[in-house]
Amino acid sequence: AQSVTQPDIHITVSEGASLELRCNYSYGATPYLFWYVQSPGQGLQLLLKYFSGDTLVQGIKGFEAEFKRSQSSFNLRKPSVHWSDAAEYFCAVGATGTGGFKTIFGAGTRLFVKA
Amino acid sequence: NAGVTQTPKFQVLKTGQSMTLQCAQDMNHEYMSWYRQDPGMGLRLIHYSVGAGITDQGEVPNGYNVSRSTTEDFPLRLLSAAPSQTSVYFCASSDDSSGANVLTFGAGSRLTVL
Repeated sequence: AQSVTQPDIHITVSEGASLELRCNYSYGATPYLFWYVQSPGQGLQLLLKYFSGDTLVQGIKGFEAEFKRSQSSFNLRKPSVHWSDAAEYFCAVGATGTGGFKTIFGAGTRLFVKA
Repeated sequence: NAGVTQTPKFQVLKTGQSMTLQCAQDMNHEYMSWYRQDPGMGLRLIHYSVGAGITDQGEVPNGYNVSRSTTEDFPLRLLSAAPSQTSVYFCASSDDSSGANVLTFGAGSRLTVL
């Protein structure tokens, strides 16, 4: 069965420090991978996606992620965190179902940014 | 262009009551889905639809019904609410029914079942 694991429930980083959020997936074929961000009280917004090609993908707000097939990982990175990046981050995989494709989400990682 | 609109934003029910969470999108998206979000569990797929007249179950379908009579609307029905259904519900849509679909989310509906 397809699944997504985000091993860190929450992470705290200082403003200006670098950030890496971990994501591991389980999927039998080449996956479609996503990172979404949810600000407090809001719905989710797409940060970036990987479908094929270059394994390092760029997203909005200065985020990037690297697909590593050998490690079944799709970690999210940002070189310098801003206070406005405090939010919950979800990794997701596009998976097959009986009625077509569906998106499976990880449990999320909540990012706290300290001044 | 309103995107994905969910109503109501907040609802309190008593155990055993029924209700419908409404979801409408004006982007002509074929794919629509319902998720519930619970602390520490992320978003779990309840039901989804790849077009009018076609629905399928997700990870946690028990206690919920859906139908898709039009492209625009995808209501989620709770026939007999239970406290375990207290959650925040998100509707999402996409113009792509493949695994590459990028989801557009509504603002969410917070449901409390007493």
